[in-house]
Amino acid sequence: ELKVEQNPLFLSMQEGKNYTIYCDYSTTSDRLYWYRQDPGKSLESLFVLLSNGAVKQEGRLMASLDTKARLSTLHITAAVHDLSATYFCAVDSDLQGAQKLVFGQGTRLTINP
Amino acid sequence: GAGVSQSPSNKVTEKGKDVELRCDPISGHTALYWYRQRLGQGLEFLIYFQGNSAPDKSGLPSDRFSAERTGESVSTLTIQRTQQEDSAVYLCASSLRGYGYTFGSGTRLTVV
Repeated sequence: ELKVEQNPLFLSMQEGKNYTIYCDYSTTSDRLYWYRQDPGKSLESLFVLLSNGAVKQEGRLMASLDTKARLSTLHITAAVHDLSATYFCAVDSDLQGAQKLVFGQGTRLTINP
Repeated sequence: GAGVSQSPSNKVTEKGKDVELRCDPISGHTALYWYRQRLGQGLEFLIYFQGNSAPDKSGLPSDRFSAERTGESVSTLTIQRTQQEDSAVYLCASSLRGYGYTFGSGTRLTVV
């Protein structure tokens, strides 16, 4: 059974600082996703990582994937308050032809002015 | 449509009543998923439909939960004899295999 673990689960940081959220998963997978969720809202797709060594950047967020280590990271550079949200990683589990997205627990990020 | 549409957006029901939640996927998306998100929690997989294949029901928490989908169109998630622990946001997603997932805005279910 595919398991996806994120850490930390809660993160409070100051504006201007850098930090990294980690996502570990237990089996091989085709794709890894990062989503953002604001309170009371649905999920917004941030990144899709498709291969080992993939790195994608959008603004102050950068995501990377190491399929050998089964690890993805979401790095935040010079955080701003607008990035406060819950961030989820999810792994595409394509076992026996049944495709399913399995989520980590989420990281609740609070950025203080 | 342009996105995944879910209705109703909010539903308050009395304990013991049945509820039906609806999901209208993106046209042409062969796969459709239902997830449950309890307050402050992650997303819990419920059920997955892929084309005309038998659905993957492995995430349904009890036999009070069921879901239907006709072909590659609308899906309904039915919860019978609702309990307070069923209170959550129910999210639907659709995908075209290999091209990512699009989530709807969810239905917030409150059982009183």
